[in-house]
Amino acid sequence: DSGVTQTPKHLITATGQRVTLRCSPRSGDLSVYWYQQSLDQGLQFLIQYYNGEERAKGNILERFSAQQFPDLHSELNLSSLELGDSALYFCASSVAADRMNTEAFFGQGTRLTVV
Amino acid sequence: AQTVTQSQPEMSVQEAETVTLSCTYDTSESDYYLFWYKQPPSRQMILVIRQEAYKQQNATENRFSVNFQKAAKSFSLKISDSQLGDAAMYFCAYRSPLISNFGNEKLTFGTGTRLTIIP
Repeated sequence: DSGVTQTPKHLITATGQRVTLRCSPRSGDLSVYWYQQSLDQGLQFLIQYYNGEERAKGNILERFSAQQFPDLHSELNLSSLELGDSALYFCASSVAADRMNTEAFFGQGTRLTVV
Repeated sequence: AQTVTQSQPEMSVQEAETVTLSCTYDTSESDYYLFWYKQPPSRQMILVIRQEAYKQQNATENRFSVNFQKAAKSFSLKISDSQLGDAAMYFCAYRSPLISNFGNEKLTFGTGTRLTIIP
């Protein structure tokens, strides 16, 4: 158990809909990262939040947005869903303020299927 | 921008034998971190081993070791005494150092190598 909790584990929805994925980081971790893994692909970085503020952006579509709340949990919002958005979405957390702690801990992912 | 390349989409090895997975990367940074992650069928991302670029000594973790060649920008993973539980996708990943590039701590992943263990 990595200590990072993602809900839900599975999500099936129709095209055009909107969904919210939730991530609770490890206790004490200030940074949250979101990654997308399409079928048999590597993980693509979407966005990072650090202590409530957006810190870095990757190849995140305009239809996607995220936020990190005061209790440090994060949500990834996906709207106007398309078939191509079907993927495994991972959340990871790290301290991100200490050079010695360089490991990112991953949640178990949310498998999104758009039909 | 950094890139990570894994040129072996699939590899197989006999149980109890040794296998080496290849990874190359491109960066202009002199200090960075490299990782190998394992993704079994459960899809969980599990850290296998990590290497700090400023350390010349290759990292080892039990049956897992790396061959880090900084000048060649190569970072291979060696699995000794392969076990059935080692079957998984293996991803190589790069990360910038935190202090010099704060705000860019994301991991850049390769496309992965699927490792099959033959009983």
